[in-house]
Amino acid sequence: GAVVSQHPSWVICKSGTSVKIECRSLDFQATTMFWYRQFPKQSLMLMATSNEGSKATYEQGVEKDKFLINHASLTLSTLTVTSAHPEDSSFYICSARGQYTHTQYFGPGTRLTVL
Amino acid sequence: DAKTTQPNSMESNEEEPVHLPCNHSTISGTDYIHWYRQLPSQGPEYVIHGLTSNVNNRMASLAIAEDRKSSTLILHRATLRDAAVYYCILTGGYNKLIFGAGTRLAVHP
Repeated sequence: GAVVSQHPSWVICKSGTSVKIECRSLDFQATTMFWYRQFPKQSLMLMATSNEGSKATYEQGVEKDKFLINHASLTLSTLTVTSAHPEDSSFYICSARGQYTHTQYFGPGTRLTVL
Repeated sequence: DAKTTQPNSMESNEEEPVHLPCNHSTISGTDYIHWYRQLPSQGPEYVIHGLTSNVNNRMASLAIAEDRKSSTLILHRATLRDAAVYYCILTGGYNKLIFGAGTRLAVHP
C-alpha cells in the first residue's frame, strides 16, 4: 500500500508557541489531504480537507486561524497549530488520497503536548 | 453520508475467524462501504472497501448484504496483531471519511 509519513512523531512545546506538523505522501501524488485530531479514548475527528493548490475546507467548529493548513504540492501538506495551549494537546493524524481513488492512506500520527 | 452502527466491542480467539458486523440501513445507492482499523497509538490502516459485490483481499473479506443495509468484515484467521478498533464508514463518491466509535476487537491467545 501507499505510504504516508508525518514529522515529527511527537512534540512538546510551551503554551503560546506555534508548532508545524508535516505530512508527506512518499510514493504517490496526493491530490487531497485530510487532517484529523484524536483525543484519548475517542475516535478521530476530521478537522479539515485540503486539495493541492487550494485553500483548505475546515469542519464546523475548527478555527481556521488557529489551525493553518498548507497543501502547496502533491506530496506535502502542513498543519500549523498557532499559539498552542494545553487544550490543543492531542494526537494529530493526516491522510492522503490520490485522484480518482477511494482509498485514504494515513500517516502514523503526531502526538502534541502543550505545557 | 449515511450513518453506520457497530457493536462497541468483540472478542475472538487466535486463529479463529472473526465476523465484524456493520448496519447501515439508510445507505444510498452510491455509497461505498469502507473498513479501516486503528492499532493503539497509530494512524488508521485501510482494510477493504466495496460497493455492491463481496470483496476479498489479502487482509480480509467484505460480505455485503443483498439489500446493502448491512455488511460484515471477515478476518479469516485472527492473530494477536489484529487486535484493533475497526471502523465501518460510508462515503458517497470521493467524500471524506467520518469516523464513528468503531468496534474494539480483542484477540485472545
